[in-house]
Amino acid sequence: EPEVTQTPSHQVTQMGQEVILRCVPISNHLYFYWYRQILGQKVEFLVSFYNNEISEKSEIFDDQFSVERPDGSNFTLKIRSTKLEDSAMYFCASSRIGGSQWGANTEAFFGQGTRLTVV
Amino acid sequence: SQKIEQNSEALNIQEGKTATLTCNYTNYSPAYLQWYRQDPGRGPVFLLLIRENEKEKRKERLKVTFDTTLKQSLFHITASQPADSATYLCALPFQKLVFGTGTRLLVSP
Repeated sequence: EPEVTQTPSHQVTQMGQEVILRCVPISNHLYFYWYRQILGQKVEFLVSFYNNEISEKSEIFDDQFSVERPDGSNFTLKIRSTKLEDSAMYFCASSRIGGSQWGANTEAFFGQGTRLTVV
Repeated sequence: SQKIEQNSEALNIQEGKTATLTCNYTNYSPAYLQWYRQDPGRGPVFLLLIRENEKEKRKERLKVTFDTTLKQSLFHITASQPADSATYLCALPFQKLVFGTGTRLLVSP
């Protein structure tokens, strides 16, 4: 069964350092997302990406964050200068359709997450 | 703004009983609603989608109802098993999936 894969599974970084979280979405999916979950809290939307551009982003997704699809398979989230409060589980997700077409068959498939710890 | 509410308290039930979880939403009229399961340290996994014109949807031991008048969805697990212990999230499509806080279900043998 196709799945979304994320690397690394755990990343420890020093405050102020840049990190890149990597994801390989399901191959025939067109919409890609990053979510984060701070320990004990809800899964929060960060950004959605379609047709090689950001389609929507949340207030959390400020100038410190960026996303890229550098080739036909990878989807990355970069945090330029990490803060302690960026410590969270980051989930990548993909869906076959989305945006204004949300409906049947638009379930999102999530990766296993990257646990980011900023020290 | 739109709001999704799930009971934040854990639901403890005995094996074999039916678990019922609630999802309420405000300031929105979604055409669809989805339910996901999340195990500790793992990503959410899709379970069921129900459309606004469907009152009820079933999948094996799972049943979801959708009352657009009450703005509420109920998620039932019948004949619950300890393996059903997890956090269950409802999600609404606001151009992207927005999740509720989730309800933790604990099924005791």
